[in-house]
Amino acid sequence: EAEVAQSPRYKITEKSQAVAFWCDPISGHATLYWYRQILGQGPELLVQFQDESVVDDSQLPKDRFSAERLKGVDSTLKIQPAELGDSAMYLCASSFGGSGYTFGSGTRLTVV
Amino acid sequence: EDKVVQSPLSLVVHEGDTVTLNCSYEVTNFRSLLWYKQEKKAPTFLFMLTSSGIEKKSGRLSSILDKKELFSILNITATQTGDSAVYLCAPNSGGSNYKLTFGKGTLLTVNP
Repeated sequence: EAEVAQSPRYKITEKSQAVAFWCDPISGHATLYWYRQILGQGPELLVQFQDESVVDDSQLPKDRFSAERLKGVDSTLKIQPAELGDSAMYLCASSFGGSGYTFGSGTRLTVV
Repeated sequence: EDKVVQSPLSLVVHEGDTVTLNCSYEVTNFRSLLWYKQEKKAPTFLFMLTSSGIEKKSGRLSSILDKKELFSILNITATQTGDSAVYLCAPNSGGSNYKLTFGKGTLLTVNP
């Protein structure tokens, strides 16, 4: 079964350092989503791509977060500088038309 | 602003019990509602509901949508310890270009 690949699975970083997460969606899925999930909360959308274009980044803290999907395939989410409040699970998901919406395994970030 | 309220926030039952989880929503341009199960990893898809009053069923789980009253329920019969998880509902207001708003989830604990 096709999967959304994410790496790393776990990341511990010090406050003020830079950190990056990678996502490779299911082949052919044009839409890619990055979510942040704080413990005890539901996932919150950070950014949505349609191919290489950003469709929605209204909840992305743009002073420290950036996301790109240069060739419309895989994507990178970066945080610089990381803050303690960024500790969370970062989930990537992809979809194609209305046929399905699949999450990756996520990256659990701990900022110390 | 889109709003999703799940209740109860947590629930503890014994194996064999039947549980009902609730999800009420207020979203613009509602298209469908998705239910997910989340253990200590990424959410896994359970159901997508688009029509009112039509029950979707998978084994011991079933779900139904009421688009007039803006809510959905997820039922689990004969619960097992493996059903212990957070259950998330997410109305979709983006059609085939998904735009999901997640609730905080219901934490279900099934004791032996």
